[in-house]
Amino acid sequence: DTGVSQNPRHKITKRGQNVTFRCDPISEHNRLYWYRQTLGQGPEFLTYFQNEAQLEKSRLLSDRFSAERPKGSFSTLEIQRTEQGDSAMYLCASSLEVSYNEQFFGPGTRLTVL
Amino acid sequence: RKEVEQDPGPFNVPEGATVAFNCTYSNSASQSFFWYRQDCRKEPKLLMSVYSSGNEDGRFTAQLNRASQYISLLIRDSKLSDSATYLCVVTSNTGGFKTIFGAGTRLFVKA
Repeated sequence: DTGVSQNPRHKITKRGQNVTFRCDPISEHNRLYWYRQTLGQGPEFLTYFQNEAQLEKSRLLSDRFSAERPKGSFSTLEIQRTEQGDSAMYLCASSLEVSYNEQFFGPGTRLTVL
Repeated sequence: RKEVEQDPGPFNVPEGATVAFNCTYSNSASQSFFWYRQDCRKEPKLLMSVYSSGNEDGRFTAQLNRASQYISLLIRDSKLSDSATYLCVVTSNTGGFKTIFGAGTRLFVKA
């Protein structure tokens, strides 16, 4: 399978715990994006990387959220001290660095904070 | 005002019908435009990129009107399998890179 993969697919955690999600992009894609989606809404942009550089962060990304892409390949998104409002689907996408950068999405990680 | 707005629907149409969705965007400097399709509890999948000249892919036609700042998607000869949520997506690179999704338009195609 050469598509975008995400792990885990589901995560249930208690409020206050830390969680980490992983995204493996399509291998030749140098751009990687993280989004959050809640029921009835479109995905909301969180952050994106070009290779290992984090170039943009949304105001939605509070200081409890951190993302890394240390070698320009896979990326991790960590949420510290989770809150019930963090419950959502976390989607990762990747694209080439071209003018019409079509993004391809992974299956997402569904987070439930109890 | 939302940066990307879509009619949430739902649109309920019979098989074989033609259905059209519109999407408006507020940033006149937006550069790239797309339609994605999302099935229930699945990830969005790219349906079409929307170019200035408009483009067609089988039963699907997308148009861009920069002057009025809207994009459209036309689906001809609707199939049951077209039932999904259609997401309008706009990207810009002014004041920082942004990808903005609309909230989606739900389509139900019935036999």
